[in-house]
Amino acid sequence: AQKITQTQPGMFVQEKEAVTLDCTYDTSDQSYGLFWYKQPSSGEMIFLIYQGSYDEQNATEGRYSLNFQKARKSANLVISASQLGDSAMYFCAMREDPIQGAQKLVFGQGTRLTINP
Amino acid sequence: DAGITQSPRHKVTETGTPVTLRCHQTENHRYMYWYRQDPGHGLRLIHYSYGVKDTDKGEVSDGYSVSRSKTEDFLLTLESATSSQTSVYFCAISESSSLMVDTQYFGPGTRLTVL
Repeated sequence: AQKITQTQPGMFVQEKEAVTLDCTYDTSDQSYGLFWYKQPSSGEMIFLIYQGSYDEQNATEGRYSLNFQKARKSANLVISASQLGDSAMYFCAMREDPIQGAQKLVFGQGTRLTINP
Repeated sequence: DAGITQSPRHKVTETGTPVTLRCHQTENHRYMYWYRQDPGHGLRLIHYSYGVKDTDKGEVSDGYSVSRSKTEDFLLTLESATSSQTSVYFCAISESSSLMVDTQYFGPGTRLTVL
């Protein structure tokens, strides 16, 4: 069963608009972590934001925020005031139960975001 | 910049040949990982290491082996490359001493083509 689901293969947004990228997850663990990464066309994986399952407040990092709804098992990424440079592939990932401290990340299939001028 | 380099960055090889990809880090991180990225699959974990000579399998480990003889180097070997192993390979590092999560950072990737 897929553990991370990103239902939007592609999204098109006008510059300066806010955008929400969807992510739902499936786990029976009580302790887990959720990550968002950005992959521009150049190919590197850039860490954006992290949310722990016990964090009571939604994570924020500059223009990025994570809308964490634990009961619904969703961890949507919100980008405020989108910019042309935000055009990229975005991946949601979940940390599985760590063994000896290692983080085994499980990734969704990604959402390709295109910002139009 | 997490000080992660991968070599080679690009490689084309033939089916049946052995291939070794190298991941090198400069900041003494304990945990290192190898992922592969294929269209429609996101990234999938191949193997990971939690210390020198301590490694374990990930989700898609068949056909791959790893070694870590020094903290800074984590090698991924395809003993006999197949076309299904054509992919982009990412190395990653993290540092976590407990259940507190530390961010996982990725290297620049290696594009491998098996003909």
